[in-house]
Amino acid sequence: EPEVTQTPSHQVTQMGQEVILRCVPISNHLYFYWYRQILGQKVEFLVSFYNNEISEKSEIFDDQFSVERPDGSNFTLKIRSTKLEDSAMYFCASHVDRGLTEAFFGQGTRLTVV
Amino acid sequence: QQQVKQSPQSLIVQKGGISIINCAYENTAFDYFPWYQQFPGKGPALLIAIRPDVSEKKEGRFTISFNKSAKQFSLHIMDSQPGDSATYFCAASSLFGNQFYFGTGTSLTVIP
Repeated sequence: EPEVTQTPSHQVTQMGQEVILRCVPISNHLYFYWYRQILGQKVEFLVSFYNNEISEKSEIFDDQFSVERPDGSNFTLKIRSTKLEDSAMYFCASHVDRGLTEAFFGQGTRLTVV
Repeated sequence: QQQVKQSPQSLIVQKGGISIINCAYENTAFDYFPWYQQFPGKGPALLIAIRPDVSEKKEGRFTISFNKSAKQFSLHIMDSQPGDSATYFCAASSLFGNQFYFGTGTSLTVIP
């Protein structure tokens, strides 16, 4: 069964450092997303990506965040200068088509900023 | 503004009982309503979903009831089992939307 894979599973970083979270979406999917979940809270949308550009982003996704699909398979989320409040579980998701079909989520990357 | 409101925050049910989780939404443009199940340390996984052209959808022990006029939908888990213990998220999206709007989640515990 196809799946979305994320690496690393856990990342610990010092405040102010840059981190890159990596995702390999399902191969025939066209829409890609990053969500985050602060411990015990709801899943929050960060950004959606289609046709090599951002299609929508939330207020959380400020200038410290960026996404790219460097090689046609990987989909990355970069946080330039991490803050303590960036500590969360980050989920990548992909969609064969937007809107009315199932979004497949990866297992997540737990980011801990110390 | 919270687009999707979910209740209760936590739920404890005896094995064999019925678990009911409720969600309400604001945006009438939403036309896809999935429920996601999340086990600890895992990503959310689609459980069941409904379009607003039907009032109910059943898959095994899981049923979504949908009330378009009230802008509410609910998940019913019949004959709840300990293996159903997880966090459940309702969500909503629209045909041309770029994201899912998630509810705050319900932690379900099924006691043997």
